[in-house]
Amino acid sequence: DIQMTQSPSYLSASVGDRVTITCRASQSISSYLNWYQQEPGKAPKLLIYDTSSLQSGVPSRFSGSGSGTDFTLTISSLQPEDFATYYCQQSYSAPFIFGPGTKVDIK
Amino acid sequence: QLQLQESGPGLVKPSETLSLTCAVSGGSISSSSYYWGWIRQPPGKGLEWIGNIYYSGTTYYNPSLKSRITISVDTSKNQFSLKLSSVTAADTAVYYCATYKRNYPTWFDPWGQGTLVSVSS
Repeated sequence: DIQMTQSPSYLSASVGDRVTITCRASQSISSYLNWYQQEPGKAPKLLIYDTSSLQSGVPSRFSGSGSGTDFTLTISSLQPEDFATYYCQQSYSAPFIFGPGTKVDIK
Repeated sequence: QLQLQESGPGLVKPSETLSLTCAVSGGSISSSSYYWGWIRQPPGKGLEWIGNIYYSGTTYYNPSLKSRITISVDTSKNQFSLKLSSVTAADTAVYYCATYKRNYPTWFDPWGQGTLVSVSS
């Protein structure tokens, strides 16, 4: 099975900050990497699919990059509504494992 | 647009079988474009993929749960279901159903709102 790791597991940032979250796969998953945002008490929401494609309605301050085993989610200027937990997920092969999550908190 | 809604008991006794249903609206569960999936999230923890099913009945299960899970589809009711047997407290979680696009690249979207299932006597 492909294992997914994320770093950091927690970060504290201020409104306006540039934030970067890293996701690593235990083997190459090509570009088949998705990012989800989960606010407390809500279902996860798809942000980015296939490494860098923005889901419809997602603000352009979110971007994704990477390939193979190393991927990055960047928020260019953190907004109050972005404080949430972010998960990566590989869609290369079953089982479709999620990363452990990165909680973004207010400094 | 597709909408999904989970339903089922909120409390299950240890050793019994957890049963949940996901009703699909805004589209047909018989669509060739999608798989239908279950994901769970224990309180305060991360997301765990449980399994996916295609309308034909083809299933993909998480190996860690495979011996205890059954996912089925009812095309006449436009819904799919999850059964998890021999539950323990470790199976306490919010259970989500979600759509999984069939062809690459693929992802989970949309999701249901989730339903909390507690395992306790």
